Amino acid sequence: KAGVTQTPRYLIKTRGQQVTLSCSPISGHRSVSWYQQTPGQGLQFLFEYFSETQRNKGNFPGRFSGRQFSNSRSEMNVSTLELGDSALYLCASSLALDTQETQYFGPGTRLLVL
Amino acid sequence: AQTVTQSQPEMSVQEAETVTLSCTYDTSESDYYLFWYKQPPSRQMILVIRQEAYKQQNATENRFSVNFQKAAKSFSLKISDSQLGDAAMYFCAWTGRPTGNQFYFGTGTSLTVIP
Repeated sequence: KAGVTQTPRYLIKTRGQQVTLSCSPISGHRSVSWYQQTPGQGLQFLFEYFSETQRNKGNFPGRFSGRQFSNSRSEMNVSTLELGDSALYLCASSLALDTQETQYFGPGTRLLVL
Repeated sequence: AQTVTQSQPEMSVQEAETVTLSCTYDTSESDYYLFWYKQPPSRQMILVIRQEAYKQQNATENRFSVNFQKAAKSFSLKISDSQLGDAAMYFCAWTGRPTGNQFYFGTGTSLTVIP
C-alpha cells in the first residue's frame, strides 16, 4: 500500500506570496492532519480534516487554511507569507477520527520564504 | 493542556550497546496513547512504537521497548543492540480522546550512534 505523499517536496516563495501544499493520504485513510515543524517551535499542530470537514484546529493565524476533498486528499494554503512561515510542513493520515489511531506521516514539504 | 517533555536534547550510544531516551507527559486524561516516532535525516517521520495507556504491559517492537510508568507519567524508549541506522531524531508524542487525532510532540532527542 502506498504511503502518504506530499507535493511539492520543496518550495521557495517570497514574502507576501501565497502557497498551496498538497497531501494524499494512505488509501482508505479518511483523517488528515497537518503539522508545522521548525527548529524553534518543534512540531506544532495546524489542523485536522475528516470527511471534508475541519474537525480540529491549532493555534495558528487565519492565514493558514486547508480543505479536504471527497477522495480524502487535502490541501493547505498559506496566504501573505512571512519569513517565519519557513518550515517543514508535515501531513499525516490515519484511518478515522477520535480513535487515536497511529498517524502515518508523509515526507513533508520544505517551504523557504525569502 | 497536554504537554510532552523530552529532557535530553542529544544522546549518543556505541554501536551494539543499549540506550534509553526519556519522555514525560502531563495530562489529566485517563484514556490516551503514547508514541515514539523516529525522524532520520530524510525528515520522514517513522513510527517506532505505540503504547495504550490502559495496558499495563510495556510495548515492544524487536529491539525497541518502552518503560511506561503511568503514575509517574513517564514513557521512556529503550533501544537495544543499537545500529548505525538508529541514528535519528526521536520524538515522543501523546494523543487522547478529547483532542481527536491531534498529537502533542516533545522537542525531540537527537541520537548519535558511534561505530
